[in-house]
Amino acid sequence: DADVTQTPRNRITKTGKRIMLECSQTKGHDRMYWYRQDPGLGLRLIYYSFDVKDINKGEISDGYSVSRQAQAKFSLSLESAIPNQTALYFCATSGLDGETQYFGPGTRLLVL
Amino acid sequence: GQNIDQPTEMTATEGAIVQINCTYQTSGFNGLFWYQQHAGEAPTFLSYNVLDGLEEKGRFSSFLSRSKGYSYLLLKELQMKDSASYLCAPRRGGSYIPTFGRGTSLIVHP
Repeated sequence: DADVTQTPRNRITKTGKRIMLECSQTKGHDRMYWYRQDPGLGLRLIYYSFDVKDINKGEISDGYSVSRQAQAKFSLSLESAIPNQTALYFCATSGLDGETQYFGPGTRLLVL
Repeated sequence: GQNIDQPTEMTATEGAIVQINCTYQTSGFNGLFWYQQHAGEAPTFLSYNVLDGLEEKGRFSSFLSRSKGYSYLLLKELQMKDSASYLCAPRRGGSYIPTFGRGTSLIVHP
């Protein structure tokens, strides 16, 4: 069984719609992250959370929000999707030492 | 940012050795990761260096020079399955979160 799961794996939506991407982990890690990946730009950090009561903005948080519902769950929302949010989104986790990150399989999002 | 610089693309022959270089800003440096990412898949951890020198792990080795802000990933006995993107990710102290470079796309041909 996968340690870090993401749902949905693929999503097509229209401009202006609200959507939520979900991430769950069974690794028992406190730290969770959301990244987006665009061709030629690498992985960029959107939000991160070091525990249930801790939420921090990353380098590209505008247009996104997150919710840490439990230690194992971290959701990313696009309140009003726009086409330039079309990307591959990854959730990741790490232990308290902040070392090795474990990535989910990714969600491919297309905003029309 | 970390001004991470790594080549965009490299090609190599099956069975050969390839070295992927990465340079980064040294201020506040606290370790450097290398990840492998096959097309359309999640990045997976390859190595972590925090001290100067070479770390060897099977066919893969990673080198770090903190004073020069330089690292490389060395892949030996290349196999076709090594065709992937290789991400250099230094991190700074404090948040302990790595910043990812744009990746080097390695193409291994027969």
